[in-house]
Amino acid sequence: QKEVEQNSGPLSVPEGAIASLNCTYSDRGSQSFFWYRQYSGKSPELIMSIYSNGDKEDGRFTAQLNKASQYVSLLIRDSQPSDSATYLCAVNIGTGAGSYQLTFGKGTKLSVIP
Amino acid sequence: GAVVSQHPSRVICKSGTSVKIECRSLDFQATTMFWYRQFPKQSLMLMATSNEGSKATYEQGVEKDKFLINHASLTLSTLTVTSAHPEDSSFYICSANYVPEAFFGQGTRLTVV
Repeated sequence: QKEVEQNSGPLSVPEGAIASLNCTYSDRGSQSFFWYRQYSGKSPELIMSIYSNGDKEDGRFTAQLNKASQYVSLLIRDSQPSDSATYLCAVNIGTGAGSYQLTFGKGTKLSVIP
Repeated sequence: GAVVSQHPSRVICKSGTSVKIECRSLDFQATTMFWYRQFPKQSLMLMATSNEGSKATYEQGVEKDKFLINHASLTLSTLTVTSAHPEDSSFYICSANYVPEAFFGQGTRLTVV
């Protein structure tokens, strides 16, 4: 069973701090990695994608990928109360030729305290 | 990013009736769409993979005769909840691949009374 694991949280950080969200995956052949944000009662929205080892920065968000360790993380700098949401890690598990399916972790709930 | 539109956003129906939910890719063609269900405070659960022009693939434990999926065109997939019961009340979300990314519809809050 190919899995994506996340700490369910809740993760609480004070406003202005760095929030660090972590994710591990089991399929060594995975090539594409994503972070989605889901506010309560809403559907997930894509906030970051990363495909190669290292860091990728977009505004206050930095995604980090280490394929050797099968680990992907999301850092949120200068956390704001509006960042309070559940963050879903998703990995392309590659079910076969021509197919494409993302496997989601269960999500980490982040609370940014004013 | 690509836009996926889901309709309706909310629906209340009586027990025993059927409800149809539509998922459209507005600015791209999607040969594959996915249907998820999410109960309160729980994670996304993949129900089925909808394939244009062929039968849907259902996840283990999902009743294919209860959750009918039709993907008749490259931009539209529908999920019909047949003979709905209160336990089917949930948040249903579709997504479509715009490879390598996936985009979600707005979700449908189904309440069966």
